[in-house]
Amino acid sequence: AQTVTQSQPEMSVQEAETVTLSCTYDTSESNYYLFWYKQPPSRQMILVIRQEAYKQQNATENRFSVNFQKAAKSFSLKISDSQLGDTAMYFCAFGRAGNQFYFGTGTSLTVIP
Amino acid sequence: NAGVTQTPKFRVLKTGQSMTLLCAQDMNHEYMYWYRQDPGMGLRLIHYSVGEGTTAKGEVPDGYNVSRLKKQNFLLGLESAAPSQTSVYFCASSHLMTGGLTEAFFGQGTRLTVV
Repeated sequence: AQTVTQSQPEMSVQEAETVTLSCTYDTSESNYYLFWYKQPPSRQMILVIRQEAYKQQNATENRFSVNFQKAAKSFSLKISDSQLGDTAMYFCAFGRAGNQFYFGTGTSLTVIP
Repeated sequence: NAGVTQTPKFRVLKTGQSMTLLCAQDMNHEYMYWYRQDPGMGLRLIHYSVGEGTTAKGEVPDGYNVSRLKKQNFLLGLESAAPSQTSVYFCASSHLMTGGLTEAFFGQGTRLTVV
C-alpha cells in the first residue's frame, strides 16, 4: 500500500517570504504522479501543482515549485513571495495506475501580514 | 462549467437516521470517489467506482453504501447514522487517460453532523 507523510501539521510564514512544505511517500512502483492540493477556508480542494515521476525536471506554477527527489521519495512544495491568500491547508497526494489517489494528513499554512 | 457538484452542502442528522449524498459530474469521467475528511487524518477513501454500474470499497467503507447507476452520478448512503460519521465528505472524479493519470477533481464538500 502507498503511504503519504506530511510531518508538519502547522506552519507559518511572513508575507512576501518563502516557505517549504515537506512530503514523503512510500511506494514500490516506478510510474506514478504526485500532486499538491490547496484547501482554503472555503473548503474547496484546488490543484496547485502536479509532477510526473518519469520527469526529472521539477514542476513550477508561478510562485509554486516542487523539489522532487525520486530516490529519496520526497516531494516538497516551495511557495515564494507568500501572500495572504496562500493561507490554507495543503495536501500532498500520490496517484497511481488505476486512478488511485492517496493523501497525506495535510499542513496548515498561515501567512502572517 | 460546473465540474463536480455535491448536494447538500450542510446537513444535521439524528443518530439512527438515514440520508443520501448526491454527487454529479459533467466531465464524462470514468472514475468517481467518496472521501471523508477529519482533523489530523487527511482524506480517507470510503468507496469508489471505476465505471457505471461498478463500485468498490476503499479504506473506511463500514457504515456506508454507494451506487453508480449513471456514469455522471455517484451516491453515498448512510443507512443508520452514528456520531462517528460526523465529518466533511468530498466527492471527486478523474479521467482515465492512456499511459497517464489526470488529477482528481473535487466537489465543494458536504459538512455532516450527527447528533
